[in-house]
Amino acid sequence: NAGVTQTPKFQVLKTGQSMTLQCAQDMNHEYMSWYRQDPGMGLRLIHYSVGAGITDQGEVPNGYNVSRSTTEDFPLRLLSAAPSQTSVYFCASSYSTGAGGYTFGSGTRLTVV
Amino acid sequence: DAKTTQPPSMDCAEGRAANLPCNHSTISGNEYVYWYRQIHSQGPQYIIHGLKNNETNEMASLIITEDRKSSTLILPHATLRDTAVYYCIVRVENDYKLSFGAGTTVTVRA
Repeated sequence: NAGVTQTPKFQVLKTGQSMTLQCAQDMNHEYMSWYRQDPGMGLRLIHYSVGAGITDQGEVPNGYNVSRSTTEDFPLRLLSAAPSQTSVYFCASSYSTGAGGYTFGSGTRLTVV
Repeated sequence: DAKTTQPPSMDCAEGRAANLPCNHSTISGNEYVYWYRQIHSQGPQYIIHGLKNNETNEMASLIITEDRKSSTLILPHATLRDTAVYYCIVRVENDYKLSFGAGTTVTVRA
């Protein structure tokens, strides 16, 4: 049981490049979400999904796309990277009932230069 | 979701109980109190949650006042590995969203 797996752990991008942050969970959780955390700040919700084929925007969705074709995977796509997207990105999943709380991945540290 | 108020920081001696307060005076009847912690550079970790009864698990105890306007997370025997930022969050149990505030930075000292 691996929990929530995020790849890569570190990434440096040039402004304007695109990339996909991967997130996979093996707990059959319905809910999955992406957060970003900037230095000294709390986590902010980017996008979330309540099940396969269903996604919606969170607080800070601009510049990011998501899709959820399977229960297990929830990739986050940066369309055209900007320095303002330098951050630590966390993926999380939970049961729809909320029981047990959210399980978070270990994060992807992204730097855009 | 109701907002929460936590002290920005607190220290605790290793081996002693750490009592972390949280005010949530506008909590609704169907909102639960959740606690998470984030150890440096790691993803947040779920600790415990409750509605109105006190709860205990292998990590901590959660004490919720009768009027539900405040709660206390208790780490019974703090260790150096409990040094982290602790977040108190109130939300409906099946809500998709977690709203993280600034949390309380807890430093456990030897």
